[in-house]
Amino acid sequence: AQSVTQLDSQVPVFEEAPVELRCNYSSSVSVYLFWYVQYPNQGLQLLLKYLSGSTLVESINGFEAEFNKSQTSFHLRKPSVHISDTAEYFCAVSEVQGAQKLVFGQGTRLTINP
Amino acid sequence: EAGVAQSPRYKIIEKRQSVAFWCNPISGHATLYWYQQILGQGPKLLIQFQNNGVVDDSQLPKDRFSAERLKGVDSTLKIQPAKLEDSAVYLCASSTWTGSGGYTFGSGTRLTVV
Repeated sequence: AQSVTQLDSQVPVFEEAPVELRCNYSSSVSVYLFWYVQYPNQGLQLLLKYLSGSTLVESINGFEAEFNKSQTSFHLRKPSVHISDTAEYFCAVSEVQGAQKLVFGQGTRLTINP
Repeated sequence: EAGVAQSPRYKIIEKRQSVAFWCNPISGHATLYWYQQILGQGPKLLIQFQNNGVVDDSQLPKDRFSAERLKGVDSTLKIQPAKLEDSAVYLCASSTWTGSGGYTFGSGTRLTVV
């Protein structure tokens, strides 16, 4: 069975500062990796995903994540954050084969201070 | 492309009452999921359908929760009787058979049990 650990429950940063949200996973089989964002009172939105190929994946709003198989990590980064990035971020994993359900981490609340 | 539709958006009930949630997935998505998201936690899978068959319901409290997927399209999730600890957001998601295309989530139903 897979599991996901998000190492920080809350991350406060100042506007225009860089940020890294950490995610580690555990699985005995090959996995797909995802980051979802949840703005206040909204549903989950896919931010980016790793399926195969290049280990560095990017989103349209400046976030990127790097799949590191040896460290079983999929950390999310942004070089310069904006107030509008304030949200809850969830790392998730699914098996490449099998039932392919999404297993989520506990979430990291990103708060941007002006 | 229309998204995943859920209703109602909000529901407040007294403990021991019953409640039902409805989900209409993206057209053509064979897999449908119901997740429970308790405040401050990541979503937890309750049940996964493949067409109209159940793939995984290992975390569904079957003494009070039930779900069905009619004709492999719409789905309903029912709680009877509700407990205070059932207060949560219930998220419906759908995906293609392979899952690699990503999972699309509805806006969720926020249930408050008083």
